[in-house]
Amino acid sequence: DFQMTQSPSSLSASVGDRVTITCRASQSVRSSLNWYRQKPGQAPSLLITRGSTLHTGVPSRFTASGSGTYFTLTITSVQPDDFATYYCQQSTSPKWTFGQGTKVEVK
Amino acid sequence: EVQLLESGGGLVQPGGSRRLSCAASGFTFNDYAMAWVRQAPGKGLEWVSSISGFGDISYYADSVMGRFTISRDNSKTSLYLQMSGLRPDDTAVYYCVKLDAFGNGPQTWGDSWGQGTLVTVSS
Repeated sequence: DFQMTQSPSSLSASVGDRVTITCRASQSVRSSLNWYRQKPGQAPSLLITRGSTLHTGVPSRFTASGSGTYFTLTITSVQPDDFATYYCQQSTSPKWTFGQGTKVEVK
Repeated sequence: EVQLLESGGGLVQPGGSRRLSCAASGFTFNDYAMAWVRQAPGKGLEWVSSISGFGDISYYADSVMGRFTISRDNSKTSLYLQMSGLRPDDTAVYYCVKLDAFGNGPQTWGDSWGQGTLVTVSS
């Protein structure tokens, strides 16, 4: 089984801040790592695929990198829409597993 | 525009059964694999099951294996989740998710999500 661990579990930020979230896999997932954003009261939405590819329509302030067991998601300048919870998801296995989530809160 | 509309949630007694449905529109349904992902109140996301575009290949999380059955009717552009032997820890919002590919193997992701339907398992 692939275990995904995100850190931190939560963080506080102000509009304009740069924030970075990490996701570690219990074993290599190569580049099969995707990121989602879930705004309060809404369904998740896809941000990043294959470790670093921005999904259609996602703002360029989101960047991601990594491979193997270590991945990062960076928001270069946090906007009001970005106060949300972020999840990583591995798809090396057809049985997806998600990280526990990182909540980005208003400082 | 892709639309996924879940229905069938509600209050169920422990040990009971429930069938969730997802009506899909805005894309060629039989060209894409589909999945169910759930989220317990105040908790994170948990993948439940996925099914290929033809409906011939399905996968299940260990937590629901043998109790839940995923299916699809391509003629009705609908996805289903038949749940039986429900337990309190099955209480969650269940999301219908469109995958980005025909197959539900590796290297997939959910590119469209419904708004979810809440299933509460309680006596």
